[in-house]
Amino acid sequence: DVKVTQSSRYLVKRTGEKVFLECVQDMDHENMFWYRQDPGLGLRLIYFSYDVKMKEKGDIPEGYSVSREKKERFSLILESASTNQTSMYLCASSFVGVAQPQHFGDGTRLSIL
Amino acid sequence: AQTVTQSQPEMSVQEAETVTLSCTYDTSENNYYLFWYKQPPSRQMILVIRQEAYKQQNATENRFSVNFQKAAKSFSLKISDSQLGDTAMYFCAFMKPGGSNYKLTFGKGTLLTVNP
Repeated sequence: DVKVTQSSRYLVKRTGEKVFLECVQDMDHENMFWYRQDPGLGLRLIYFSYDVKMKEKGDIPEGYSVSREKKERFSLILESASTNQTSMYLCASSFVGVAQPQHFGDGTRLSIL
Repeated sequence: AQTVTQSQPEMSVQEAETVTLSCTYDTSENNYYLFWYKQPPSRQMILVIRQEAYKQQNATENRFSVNFQKAAKSFSLKISDSQLGDTAMYFCAFMKPGGSNYKLTFGKGTLLTVNP
């Protein structure tokens, strides 16, 4: 059974902390995505990676960075967490020939206090 | 920039009935992809159906079908014989292919409740 696994389902952090959200997929997918989901706003792409060490900014990259050192793992980093980054974060993946996300993780609900 | 509009924030339907979720989009592109995603409560989001703009035939996946009207820039999702498991948030999404542009533009979603 294919899986995209996000390390935490719920996470609470404090303003100013450096926060790491981890995502691992076991399908050997080249493409990986980080989305942010907010009520009334739908999903917005933060960053996208199409290969190891490769990344592209999405629609809302400010305040975030990413790391893709291994094909199966894609990390989202909040450099200095702020309260407006409280949200649901979704990781997704797809094969190189499939541009849209195929498989999603369960999501991480992040609260910044 | 592309925009995707889902004008129905919430809908409900009785089990076994048919329901249609609406989606309109705005683009100047001629070639693109459209998608419907389903996000059940506390469960993973999944891709329901995909439509290529150059195809005139409407996509179908079992009980799910679309009504794609390119000139009207409309992409509605029809769910036939609704089941309790269809209760979910449904998102319409648009993507312009080509190059390294893998950005999907999502609508705000429609919460569908299937009642027994």
